[in-house]
Order: sequence, then C-alpha cells, then structure tokens
Amino acid sequence: QVQLQESGPGLVKPSGTLSLTCAVSGGSISSSNWWSWVRQPPGKGLEWIGEVYHSGTTHYDPSLKSRVTMSVDKSKNQFSLRLSSVTAADTAVYYCAKLDGGGYWGQGTLVTVSS
Amino acid sequence: QAVVTQEASLTVSPGGTVTLTCGSSTGAVTSGHYPYWFQQKPGQAPRTLVYDTTNKHSWTPARFSGSLLGGKAALTLSGAQPEDEAEYYCLLSYGGAVIFGGGTKLTVL
Repeated sequence: QVQLQESGPGLVKPSGTLSLTCAVSGGSISSSNWWSWVRQPPGKGLEWIGEVYHSGTTHYDPSLKSRVTMSVDKSKNQFSLRLSSVTAADTAVYYCAKLDGGGYWGQGTLVTVSS
Repeated sequence: QAVVTQEASLTVSPGGTVTLTCGSSTGAVTSGHYPYWFQQKPGQAPRTLVYDTTNKHSWTPARFSGSLLGGKAALTLSGAQPEDEAEYYCLLSYGGAVIFGGGTKLTVL
C-alpha cells in the first residue's frame, strides 16, 4: 500500500513562505489519483488545503487559493506545497494524503510560524 | 462553499451502539459525495476507517460500518470498545472541492 512522508522546515517566519514536500512510496505518483494537503491547527479540526493531479492540475480551498501552490515531481515520486505570506494562523500540523482511492495519510509535520 | 456538519460530541457505553452522522448544507448526502470516515486519537495522524460510503480497509475493525441514512452519511459503531474513544471526522467531495466535517468527539463511558 502507498506510504507518504512529509518533510520541510518546522519553523517559518511571519510573511515568509512555507514549503513542504511529500515523498510517495509503494505506488506511483502518476497513478490516477489526486494528492492532497490537509492541515490541523493546534486543538482544532482538519482543514483541506488542496489537491494536485500528476498532470499538474490543481484544486485549492477558496480561502487559501491566493497563497497556495501545489506541484508534482514525477522523477522523484513526490509532490509539494508552498504557502506564501504566512501568519501565526498558519501554524498547524500539515499532512499529505491520498484522499481518494482509500485514504492514506502521512504522519504529519508541525509547522510553526514565529519570528 | 458547502458546510459539512457532524455531532460535536457523543457518548456510548462499552458494548453499546452509536451512529455518527455527516450532513451537507447543500442537501442530501449521496454516494456521489464519496463519504469518508476517519478516526483520530490524540497525537496521531488520522486513520481512514471507511471510504466511498461503505468500503472498509483491512485494518478497520468489523464493528465499524458506513452507510447513508436519512440524507446523511453515517458511521455506526456496534459493540463499542474503550479504544474507540477518539475524534471522528467525515469528508465529502464536491467535484473539485473536499470539505471535512468539524469532527465528533466520541466518549466510551
């Protein structure tokens, strides 16, 4: 079964850009699936950020759309998230996931926005 | 944008049965929303219990089942165990948008 692993800085300065990568193993990122990013602020619920297809087609949550970019690197079998102009409200555990075709999750990575 | 609603909290007795529901502000939930159910325990990543309304993974305990009930997606737990105490989230798909419910805190007491 597919396995997902997030990586990236755990601390980002306010107004900076959050960048995370999700390595996919046990399956090809070029399969017919959407690859998602989900976040969870401390003590709160799950929030869908968006999804990317291997072709590069994306869907983003409307509230984050102006700040989000997702992409796929087929050569490395991974996909990425960039969130710009971050504030303390973007502090959260960020998960990468394959939400269609069964729902598989990474372990999550805490990103703190602080100076 | 649609709003997905879940009970904020529910309590079930050990060995008892409880049904969690997942509604949509746009109307009845159908199989076309591809409902998912996730279990999350403190400090852990979510774990998918049910996908596409009724499908279960090999790791999903048999006591959990998914369905459509009264215009909502439903997760029924039959024979609750202490280890089932957790937060449960549903997810609905809206053709290019994915929305999570706010979660149900299930207490086994």
